[in-house]
Amino acid sequence: EVQLVQSGPEVKKPGESLKISCKASEHSFTSYWIGWVRQMPGKGLEYMGIIYPADSDTKYSPPFQGQVSISADKSITTVYLQWSSLKASDTAMYYCARFDEYSFDLWGQGTMVTVSS
Amino acid sequence: SYELTQPPSMSVSPGQTAKITCSGDELPNKFTNWYQQKPGQAPILVIYKDSERPSGIPERFSGSGSGTTVTLTISGVQAEDAADYYCQSADSSDTWVFGGGTELTVL
Repeated sequence: EVQLVQSGPEVKKPGESLKISCKASEHSFTSYWIGWVRQMPGKGLEYMGIIYPADSDTKYSPPFQGQVSISADKSITTVYLQWSSLKASDTAMYYCARFDEYSFDLWGQGTMVTVSS
Repeated sequence: SYELTQPPSMSVSPGQTAKITCSGDELPNKFTNWYQQKPGQAPILVIYKDSERPSGIPERFSGSGSGTTVTLTISGVQAEDAADYYCQSADSSDTWVFGGGTELTVL
């Protein structure tokens, strides 16, 4: 059974950089788009963007364009979400999810990012 | 920006039917999916492509649509169905969007 395993929780200071990861347990991963979803504390789900690991084609939701960077390393079946300068407002749970049949059918367990001085 | 509108909360008694709505101008033209999220857990897909049910999802979950409103129906609600439910669809540029979520309470 395919799984998406995300990296562990992070505690960072404002202005620091961060890269979190999402690793698929099977190489078929490269045949699917992988998306990132943000959930701020006590709030709803927000779609951030999506990447096709086979060729790294990437699309961002407008509110997140320029705020984060999504990348992939298909050789190790891993997708990344990266910030160059974190803000307190980036504090949230971040989920990766596989996209298939027009839906996010398989989700990672989530990575909690806390940004605080 | 495009928005999908859901009621913030609703409550039903066990055994009753819950109907959670999601409204958006592009819904007649785009597929809608529904996700269930329980506290402290990642979301799971319960309905995709408007009305398809993934394997392992109970038959009491169904999806339908009429015009700019789609509906997730949970027939014979059970206590374990208490959760937040999110609709998801696309805007005219095919950018994915989630609804604000509906908290379902089973009394």
